[in-house]
Amino acid sequence: DQQVKQNSPSLSVQEGRISILNCDYTNSMFDYFLWYKKYPAEGPTFLISISSIKDKNEDGRFTVFLNKSAKHLSLHIVPSQPGDSAVYFCAASARETSGSRLTFGEGTQLTVNP
Amino acid sequence: NAGVTQTPKFRILKIGQSMTLQCAQDMNHNYMYWYRQDPGMGLKLIYYSVGAGITDKGEVPNGYNVSRSTTEDFPLRLELAAPSQTSVYFCASSYSIYSGAAKNIQYFGAGTRLSVL
Repeated sequence: DQQVKQNSPSLSVQEGRISILNCDYTNSMFDYFLWYKKYPAEGPTFLISISSIKDKNEDGRFTVFLNKSAKHLSLHIVPSQPGDSAVYFCAASARETSGSRLTFGEGTQLTVNP
Repeated sequence: NAGVTQTPKFRILKIGQSMTLQCAQDMNHNYMYWYRQDPGMGLKLIYYSVGAGITDKGEVPNGYNVSRSTTEDFPLRLELAAPSQTSVYFCASSYSIYSGAAKNIQYFGAGTRLSVL
């Protein structure tokens, strides 16, 4: 039962253009969503998050959009840079969950071409 | 500040051997987690702990054991290694508060790559 799903295993964009990474979830109890970035041979690092009471959160070049009715969130990177090439994981948590556990998607490999 | 430190970085085990993956954090976080990541898959939670002396199972606990005797350390034990346990293991920690932007941001170590042959 995959509660958080990233349907695109990979995405390739040109430098300077917009990257849009998508994530869908099924559990209506999720109330907090996070994006992590992972480089090879490193652990995931936190990128940006959004609470379910908001529909948008922006941090520099990164913006996360949440559509609760569609149970869908997306990460926009504008403009994309070669250093953004990494695997991006979507994750979700529910307030009532013991230990504030996160459920992760499968990840999307983003490649930004110079 | 080191953050979350995992040792070793790499290890090769023979089937049936045992080993302990070490994890230490210096951020005074009360929550700690162990995940495994298989190729093309997301991170699956093995075990987690909400504080010293308290541990609980995640999604994929079979074949593993944990203990949490201190706030800082959260070792993961493999008793009888099997090829299915070949994976990359990540330890994470967080200080979960339900207000503000710091809610449940988990900080990860660099991982331990384990092969069981």
